[in-house]
Amino acid sequence: AQSVAQPEDQVNVAEGNPLTVKCTYSVSGNPYLFWYVQYPNRGLQFLLKYITGDNLVKGSYGFEAEFNKSQTSFHLKKPSALVSDSALYFCAVRDTNAGKSTFGDGTTLTVKP
Amino acid sequence: DAGVIQSPRHEVTEMGQEVTLRCKPISGHNSLFWYRQTMMRGLELLIYFNNNVPIDDSGMPEDRFSAKMPNASFSTLKIQPSEPRDSAVYFCASSALLNEQFFGPGTRLTVL
Repeated sequence: AQSVAQPEDQVNVAEGNPLTVKCTYSVSGNPYLFWYVQYPNRGLQFLLKYITGDNLVKGSYGFEAEFNKSQTSFHLKKPSALVSDSALYFCAVRDTNAGKSTFGDGTTLTVKP
Repeated sequence: DAGVIQSPRHEVTEMGQEVTLRCKPISGHNSLFWYRQTMMRGLELLIYFNNNVPIDDSGMPEDRFSAKMPNASFSTLKIQPSEPRDSAVYFCASSALLNEQFFGPGTRLTVL
């Protein structure tokens, strides 16, 4: 079985400050981990993924995420937030033996000027 | 590439009518997924196909919902008869080798 948790429904940060959106997961095998972003009235858009290799993964728009196997986490980070980063963020996990990904409930990020 | 294409973008219908949503995945992708998104229930996976074959339809809410993928470039999601509680945004997504998914723009369905 696989599951993913995003413990925060909402994250608020000031523009220019670093941001973190949290994600923890559970899988029986090795995880494939993904982050997606959804802007209003749009479909989800792929940001980055971890499959294997370096624990720090860099993605689109300056975002990065760190895979931590011992803590079963894959938190999304950005050193300096922009107002335009305000959106709904989804973490997803797929067990290497699974055919589908499981998505978290999403975290709404609001960046204030 | 044009990305995942969905039609129609908006659909307003009356309760009891049949609704058909359409999806064209990205060429070369072998997996296709149908999702439903609402404020109350969030993002739900309805069904997914691998190489045009339905693999998991456990998310399909009722027998009123059916999905087909007659070929690698086309899929439909049908609701018959439709009910007001089916109102939602329906997304189609495709992926290659079960990696990251590429989502379409969605179909916003309103059942009156």
